[in-house]
Amino acid sequence: DAKTTQPPSMDCAEGRAANLPCNHSTISGNEYVYWYRQIHSQGPQYIIHGLKNNETNEMASLIITEDRKSSTLILPHATLRDTAVYYCIVSLGNFNKFYFGSGTKLNVKP
Amino acid sequence: DAGVTQSPTHLIKTRGQQVTLRCSPKSGHDTVSWYQQALGQGPQFIFQYYEEEERQRGNFPDRFSGHQFPNYSSELNVNALLLGDSALYLCASSLRYGTGELFFGEGSRLTVL
Repeated sequence: DAKTTQPPSMDCAEGRAANLPCNHSTISGNEYVYWYRQIHSQGPQYIIHGLKNNETNEMASLIITEDRKSSTLILPHATLRDTAVYYCIVSLGNFNKFYFGSGTKLNVKP
Repeated sequence: DAGVTQSPTHLIKTRGQQVTLRCSPKSGHDTVSWYQQALGQGPQFIFQYYEEEERQRGNFPDRFSGHQFPNYSSELNVNALLLGDSALYLCASSLRYGTGELFFGEGSRLTVL
């Protein structure tokens, strides 16, 4: 699996958009980009995933660059409950283990 | 629809003992993966079970073993516990032929004294 690079921490004001970057320069053509988050002491929660195209669901949007070497997770209106560690993972998906890395600690402030 | 359930939630063992952790996957899921998360670190892959067989394994010693039952539930066994085995153990379930999302339980917190 390709490994990812994320900033260790980010701050965001409540109500503003949170944009979390991820570099995955060694991603292969059939690997997906997955985003998970982990609120303190809870199990990781699936957010969104994509292959090439941008994706949006009720939680977030995922923007993948055309060369697929980086992506951005966007939380459109961050709330205090979005304070968590966010993990960017690249993986083949099925049959494959996930390498989580250290993630980005997002602090949403009032 | 019940999600992934794990038991016990917390347990304390002493060095050299053995522990068994249990996991029931999300309804309809057939694949179970186990992860170890040390304090302050991201989860690390231990192994994955499908059709009652270990399909993939991470960089963990043979002291870590598992089992999957016909109803897709799973157990993680750790023998000869070391202090360094203290961690949150996470179970994740998925569909073998789905789109790869993992659904995690809340974990079992193991403390080795």
